[in-house]
Amino acid sequence: DIVMTQSPDSLAVSLGERATINCKSSQSVLNRSNNKNFLAWYQQKPGQPPKLLIYWASTRESGVPDRFSGSGSVTDFTLTISSLQAEDVAVYFCQQYYSVPFTFGPGTKVDIK
Amino acid sequence: EVQLVESGGGLVQPGGSLRLSCAASGFTFSSYWMHWVRQAPGKGLVWVSRINSDGSTTNYSDSVKGRFTISRDNAKNTLYLQMNSLRAEDTAVYYCARTGYCNSSNCYNWFDPWGQGTLVTVSS
Repeated sequence: DIVMTQSPDSLAVSLGERATINCKSSQSVLNRSNNKNFLAWYQQKPGQPPKLLIYWASTRESGVPDRFSGSGSVTDFTLTISSLQAEDVAVYFCQQYYSVPFTFGPGTKVDIK
Repeated sequence: EVQLVESGGGLVQPGGSLRLSCAASGFTFSSYWMHWVRQAPGKGLVWVSRINSDGSTTNYSDSVKGRFTISRDNAKNTLYLQMNSLRAEDTAVYYCARTGYCNSSNCYNWFDPWGQGTLVTVSS
């Protein structure tokens, strides 16, 4: 199984400041045949299901604000919120869809400082 | 509007059974692989199972293999999860989710959208 880890566990950022979340996979999730990283990011607010933000490691889902961006390749990935808004308070998860069983990182909780 | 609505959760004793349903609307259900993902109270997300578009191929996490069965009825646009021999550690909110993208040759298994979830509590 591919093990996903995230850091930090939680972070508090001032409104308008940058938030950076890291995700690491225990093995490569880069598919050499199409040169795509099989990595997604989700946002989950309390009492709600997860919401897709990013897939292919860096492709923003339709309707997701452009302050959210994804980067990285192979085993190391980053989700960046360029200017934190109050509505971004949530837990963020990464997920690999390279191989079964599909696995998630443990989550990073983002709060306002 | 694409929508997934789960039902069937509740309180069940250890060793008991439960069947979850997920009603899909707003998209061509028969064209998409579908998944179940669970989340224990206050914990992270755990993928449980997936089924391909015609129901001929299924996969399970090791923790539920042999106890849970995923199935679908494309005529009713409904996904199911039959859960047998339930344990306390199966207590969670169970979400159904659609595979993110399928083309003629492949499906790519990010999850979008998700249903609101149904709570399963296994306790005596």
